[in-house]
Amino acid sequence: EVQLLESGGGLVQPGGSLRLSCAVSGVSFTSYAMSWVRQAPGKGLEWVSVISGSGSTTDYADSVKGRFTISRDNSKNTLYLQMNSLRAEDTAVYYCAKSAGLRLLYQFDYWGQGILVTVSS
Amino acid sequence: EIVLTQSPGTLSLSPGERATLSCRASQSVSSTYLAWYQQKPGQAPRLLIYGASSRAIGIPDRFSGSGSGTDFTLTISRLEPEDFAVYYCQQYGTSPLTFGGGTKVEIK
Repeated sequence: EVQLLESGGGLVQPGGSLRLSCAVSGVSFTSYAMSWVRQAPGKGLEWVSVISGSGSTTDYADSVKGRFTISRDNSKNTLYLQMNSLRAEDTAVYYCAKSAGLRLLYQFDYWGQGILVTVSS
Repeated sequence: EIVLTQSPGTLSLSPGERATLSCRASQSVSSTYLAWYQQKPGQAPRLLIYGASSRAIGIPDRFSGSGSGTDFTLTISRLEPEDFAVYYCQQYGTSPLTFGGGTKVEIK
């Protein structure tokens, strides 16, 4: 059974930093690109970032470029999102999501349960 | 950036009725890289359709997808009580990957 489990969320002040983790099990982790997708309270889905299976290729939404860094540790089957210079508009539930294939951009066939990040003073 | 516009915003229907959801793209979606997701309150999205018309594993055949280019449709042939939810389309052919704003299917 494929499982994705996020951790590391919480309350942070504007300008602060936070690192999210997503532990993945039940799948050959290195074979798939992984993404972060967020959802502000009462709003729709917004793709944030993607990383290739090897970790060599990344891509970001303009809204987070230069502030967020995606990475992965394939020895630990874990995905990360380092979030710096956080703003109120970054407040959202953050989901990690597994790409369904090798291609960097793909549909997401498995999602984590989501973790809430709140940016507020 | 490819903007996806979903309509209607809300669809009020009764169980057993047919639901037709639309997703229109601001430019052509390459190779029909278009997916549909279902999301219920407090839950993560669930993949329903990929490649515009292929059902994901475990998805009932009352869900079907169609379309190409800039116009795509999700059809639920006969609504079951568990189908009342929000539905999102997503294009994954071009970076940045984008989602539509969602259609809420509610009980009439």
